[in-house]
Amino acid sequence: SQTIHQWPATLVQPVGSPLSLECTVEGTSNPNLYWYRQAAGRGLQLLFYSVGIGQISSEVPQNLSASRPQDRQFILSSKKLLLSDSGFYLCAWQGNRDQPQHFGDGTRLSIL
Amino acid sequence: GQQLNQSPQSMFIQEGEDVSMNCTSSSIFNTWLWYKQDPGEGPVLLIALYKAGELTSNGRLTAQFGITRKDSFLNISASIPSDVGIYFCAGQLGGSNYKLTFGKGTLLTVNP
Repeated sequence: SQTIHQWPATLVQPVGSPLSLECTVEGTSNPNLYWYRQAAGRGLQLLFYSVGIGQISSEVPQNLSASRPQDRQFILSSKKLLLSDSGFYLCAWQGNRDQPQHFGDGTRLSIL
Repeated sequence: GQQLNQSPQSMFIQEGEDVSMNCTSSSIFNTWLWYKQDPGEGPVLLIALYKAGELTSNGRLTAQFGITRKDSFLNISASIPSDVGIYFCAGQLGGSNYKLTFGKGTLLTVNP
């Protein structure tokens, strides 16, 4: 069966520091991969998605970037974090475009 | 862009009561999904609906894909304390469109 892993689960970072969040999927090949941010108001905002290695689509202009160096690995990065980058970051995978997305357990990011 | 109106925003019920929540859209979707999110975790898929008019059950949960393809509801029967959480609807066009459009969630509280 397929599983998705995100780490770390919790992260506290100072303003201006870099960021790297990792997401890996097991048990499937060539998945579509997604990064979301969930603010305290509960809504899920799509940040990036990827349909293959090296292919990244950005949904909103922001201080973050994403990369997909391997088929089942999706990384969310920033060179310099802002206070507004705080939130709950969720990675999701999808077998093909007509199937549901399945989410990881998320990373709680706090910026001080 | 597409928007989903999910209601109610929150519900406070007694254990054993039935619950109903729904989502409506200004445009059609080809797939409706219902997720549940526990505090500090990622959303978990409850039910996926692929066909207009489809009625699907998963234990005490029942969901329907509206005939117009612009709405869906989720019912929970005989609620229990572990039903507490945020329930999200999501619509998916599929085909060349990879993205999910999410409702803002229904926060369910169950009093034992």
